[in-house]
Amino acid sequence: AQKITQTQPGMFVQEKEAVTLDCTYDTSDQSYGLFWYKQPSSGEMIFLIYQGSYDEQNATEGRYSLNFQKARKSANLVISASQLGDSAMYFCAMTRKGRDDKIIFGKGTRLHILP
Amino acid sequence: EAQVTQNPRYLITVTGKKLTVTCSQNMNHEYMSWYRQDPGLGLRQIYYSMNVEVTDKGDVPEGYKVSRKEKRNFPLILESPSPNQTSLYFCASSPGTRQETQYFGPGTRLLVL
Repeated sequence: AQKITQTQPGMFVQEKEAVTLDCTYDTSDQSYGLFWYKQPSSGEMIFLIYQGSYDEQNATEGRYSLNFQKARKSANLVISASQLGDSAMYFCAMTRKGRDDKIIFGKGTRLHILP
Repeated sequence: EAQVTQNPRYLITVTGKKLTVTCSQNMNHEYMSWYRQDPGLGLRQIYYSMNVEVTDKGDVPEGYKVSRKEKRNFPLILESPSPNQTSLYFCASSPGTRQETQYFGPGTRLLVL
């Protein structure tokens, strides 16, 4: 069965430092997608970044990059030069493309950026 | 403005009283989905729909129903709510099969007494 694991329930990071949020996944499918969402304290879910299993390059979106290591089944989110506004809950998620199209989420990592 | 709307945003009800949470998107998206979010469990998919009249179970469908009669609407129905359905519910939509670019609604906070 598919599974997403986020091993860091919470993290504290100094402002302006880079942050890596861990995500490992378990799937026997060849075609899948991985993504990250941000949930600030206001509650809305904000899409950050996506990586397809066949994408050769690591995805980047501004200060966000996804460190995709297929053999290790990891899809870590890297936030460069963290800002106070990055304080939020972060969720890693996976979809099985073209098979059953379900989407599963990890339990999340709460990130606190310290001034 | 492109958006996903949910109503109501907050709801307190009693066990057994049928309720419907509406979800509507104005982006002509094909894929729509419902999630529940509970502390320590992240988001779990309840039902999803790839297109009109096509719905499938997610990981936690028990106690819920959905319908997709029109492309823009995807209501979530609780026929006989129970306290363990107290949760924060999100509706989301995405274009075609690009589920990765999901747009989420603002959430509905449900309390079942």
